[in-house]
Amino acid sequence: QSALTQPASVSESPGQSITISCTGTSSDVENYNYVSWYQQRPGKAPKLIIYEVTTRPSGVPDRFSGSKSGNTASLTISGLQPEDEADYYCFSYTASTSLYVFGTGTKVTVL
Amino acid sequence: QITLKESGPTLVKPTQTLTLTCTFSGFSLTTSGVGVGWIRQPPGKALEWIALIYWDGDERYSPSLRSRLSVAKDRSKNQVVLTLTNMDPVDTATYYCAHKMAASSSFDYWGQGTLVTVSS
Repeated sequence: QSALTQPASVSESPGQSITISCTGTSSDVENYNYVSWYQQRPGKAPKLIIYEVTTRPSGVPDRFSGSKSGNTASLTISGLQPEDEADYYCFSYTASTSLYVFGTGTKVTVL
Repeated sequence: QITLKESGPTLVKPTQTLTLTCTFSGFSLTTSGVGVGWIRQPPGKALEWIALIYWDGDERYSPSLRSRLSVAKDRSKNQVVLTLTNMDPVDTATYYCAHKMAASSSFDYWGQGTLVTVSS
């Protein structure tokens, strides 16, 4: 069971938009809507920001959005804010094995 | 309000067995669909899912740790216990427990994490 693939880092200026990709396989991302995204600030526990590909938990700003195409899920942050600087991880449930896997993680830097 | 907190040793020696306890409140581990997961993160590295125990007692483990890992629940104490045998320095990590949402595969509440160092 291999980790989902994410870019190591993404940088952008405040107010701009970024998209983080999360590439899996037909066993996880492609055929199931079980992808979630977590934000982790330094020294803190991860925080759920998107689940079931597109759903935002209560309290998460609407500048965070999720989508999926084929075996790649994406997290888009619109109107980037300084407080969005953090590590972001995708996560998926694999229905065929009933197991779970995280992505490799992406460090977002707000320039 | 859902809360979770990990407790256990901060330092273990190589070959020893690690036992961590996740004490939770604000939900019941008897509610259909609910689970408690364990996730670890070596210093400076990515998150790694390692185990999950469901409301019905079903247990799931990361294939890479399956032979050394077990989880158990104590419903009367609202606790889930993780046991990892034959500890190695590569097991040095912050260990988190988290609440799995009943109708989802996601973890919506997390403990603060506990750093476990493996060293002689």
